[in-house]
Amino acid sequence: EVQLVESGGGLVQPGRSLKLSCAASGFTFSDYAMAWVRQAPKKGLEWVATIIYDGSSTYYRDSVKGRFTISRDNAKSTLYLQMDSLRSEDTATYYCARHYSSYMDYWGQGVMVTVSS
Amino acid sequence: DIQMTQSPSVLSASVGDRVTLNCKASQNINKYLNWYQQKLGEAPKLLIYNTNNLQTGIPSRFSGSGSGTDYTLTISSLQPEDVATYFCFQHNSWPLTFGSGTKLEIK
Repeated sequence: EVQLVESGGGLVQPGRSLKLSCAASGFTFSDYAMAWVRQAPKKGLEWVATIIYDGSSTYYRDSVKGRFTISRDNAKSTLYLQMDSLRSEDTATYYCARHYSSYMDYWGQGVMVTVSS
Repeated sequence: DIQMTQSPSVLSASVGDRVTLNCKASQNINKYLNWYQQKLGEAPKLLIYNTNNLQTGIPSRFSGSGSGTDYTLTISSLQPEDVATYFCFQHNSWPLTFGSGTKLEIK
């Protein structure tokens, strides 16, 4: 059974950093691209970033480029999102998802990030 | 960026009704269109990928169609458990974008 479990969320002040993790199990992690998607409170879904299976290519939405870094450790079957220079508009539930071909087929339960002073 | 516009934003229908949700892209997305269902407090779930392919385990009352810029999700016979918000999503070009969602309610 595919499982994705996010961790590392919490309350952080504007301008500070936070690193999210997503532990994967139930599939061969190193065979798949992975993604982060976020959802601000009572808002829609917003794709954040994708990393391909071996980490050699990454893609970001413009609003997080230069501030967020997606990475992975295939030996640990873990996906990461390093978030620097956080802003109030980054407040959201962050989901990790398996990014297979042209769709995201499995999602974690999400982790909340609140950016506030 | 490709803008995805969903309509209606809220849809109220009766159990057993045939329901149609719409999604329009700001440019041709070559059928790289997926549909997700999100129930309250839960993570999104993939229903349909690449316009008309039913994800494993999804009931056959869900179907998708479309081409170019216009896409549709149809529920052939609405069930109480279908109450949720439905999002379309394009994977034709970066940045990947979601529609703003259609909230489906039971009358």
